Amino acid sequence: AQSVTQPDIHITVSEGASLELRCNYSYGATPYLFWYVQSPGQGLQLLLKYFSGDTLVQGIKGFEAEFKRSQSSFNLRKPSVHWSDAAEYFCAVVDNAGNMLTFGGGTRLMVKP
Amino acid sequence: DGGITQSPKYLFRKEGQNVTLSCEQNLNHDAMYWYRQDPGQGLRLIYYSQIVNDFQKGDIAEGYSVSREKKESFPLTVTSAQKNPTAFYLCASRQTGVAQPQHFGDGTRLSIL
Repeated sequence: AQSVTQPDIHITVSEGASLELRCNYSYGATPYLFWYVQSPGQGLQLLLKYFSGDTLVQGIKGFEAEFKRSQSSFNLRKPSVHWSDAAEYFCAVVDNAGNMLTFGGGTRLMVKP
Repeated sequence: DGGITQSPKYLFRKEGQNVTLSCEQNLNHDAMYWYRQDPGQGLRLIYYSQIVNDFQKGDIAEGYSVSREKKESFPLTVTSAQKNPTAFYLCASRQTGVAQPQHFGDGTRLSIL
């Protein structure tokens, strides 16, 4: 069965600092991976996705993620965090049929001024 | 604008009462999903539907029911059999194809009076 682990429940960074959110997955085949962001009381917005090809994928809002098969990881990065990036971030993997999304537990990002 | 509309935003249920959460999409997506989100946890799949008049149970279907009579609508009923219904409920949809991501509504928060 597929699974996703986000080891950090909370992360606090200073505005302007770099950010890396960790995601580890378990999946038997080539994984299809996503990062979503959720503001309080809102739905989830897709940041980026990886299906194949270049292991470094670019997303919206200046985010990028790198797929590393050897480490079973898909970490999300941003070079300079803005206060508006404070939110909860979810990593997810989908099955081969594209139907069953399995989410990690989420990482709540707080940004210090 | 195309999107997914969930209503109401907030819903209160009395003990022993069934309530129905609405989800409508005008994206012409084939598949629709219902998730439950509890504080500090990721999303858990309740039900999903790939085509009209067909749906499948997810990981936590007990105490819930759905229907898919129209392509654009996928209502979720929280029955009295669901003993702990207080949660944030998210509806999603996606187009057919493994590379297609799920798009989310803004959610309904259900509370017990």
